[in-house]
Amino acid sequence: RKEVEQDPGPFNVPEGATVAFNCTYSNSASQSFFWYRQDCRKEPKLLMSVYSSGNEDGRFTAQLNRASQYISLLIRDSKLSDSATYLCVPTLYNQGGKLIFGQGTELSVKP
Amino acid sequence: EPEVTQTPSHQVTQMGQEVILRCVPISNHLYFYWYRQILGQKVEFLVSFYNNEISEKSEIFDDQFSVERPDGSNFTLKIRSTKLEDSAMYFCASGGGTGRYEQYFGPGTRLTVT
Repeated sequence: RKEVEQDPGPFNVPEGATVAFNCTYSNSASQSFFWYRQDCRKEPKLLMSVYSSGNEDGRFTAQLNRASQYISLLIRDSKLSDSATYLCVPTLYNQGGKLIFGQGTELSVKP
Repeated sequence: EPEVTQTPSHQVTQMGQEVILRCVPISNHLYFYWYRQILGQKVEFLVSFYNNEISEKSEIFDDQFSVERPDGSNFTLKIRSTKLEDSAMYFCASGGGTGRYEQYFGPGTRLTVT
């Protein structure tokens, strides 16, 4: 089983749409969780941390279900600038805090 | 806003040559990392560094690789004898500020081995 699994997409949505990404992770010892976004040939940029109780940052809402080892990201009112690859990233404290990346989900927001 | 910087942005080298990739992490961070991304593939962890020593390394990080923090600001990755398969984007990251395990990435160095 892959360490991180995401639907690769691409998700093609119109501006203003709401889009949801799902992610599962295999290592139940994972302790911190993040969503990063990556534009083509650029560095991953931290979008938000994911807390157990769920958290919101503007148009972005993240949820974590430790029992199911499942993380989600909801983007409301999509903008053209949201087009990127979204990476669900768990981390393990006892391994130097290394981030574990999957292939990510590609989002394309069209006018 | 503080950011991680990396130099050079692009490095072309011949197979068998040594390269040093340089990074300046965010100044109050304590944890430093190198990752790489081969074109079209996922980002892969190479090594983490804390308190002047390696805390974790991946299988990729073999004897050809080394890291160093030669002074209070720079963090370097050295590849002793480059191979064609080392061609990739190399990202430096740092963390351990207010959110300990949040990591911030530099813009990367594109390494091309010919």
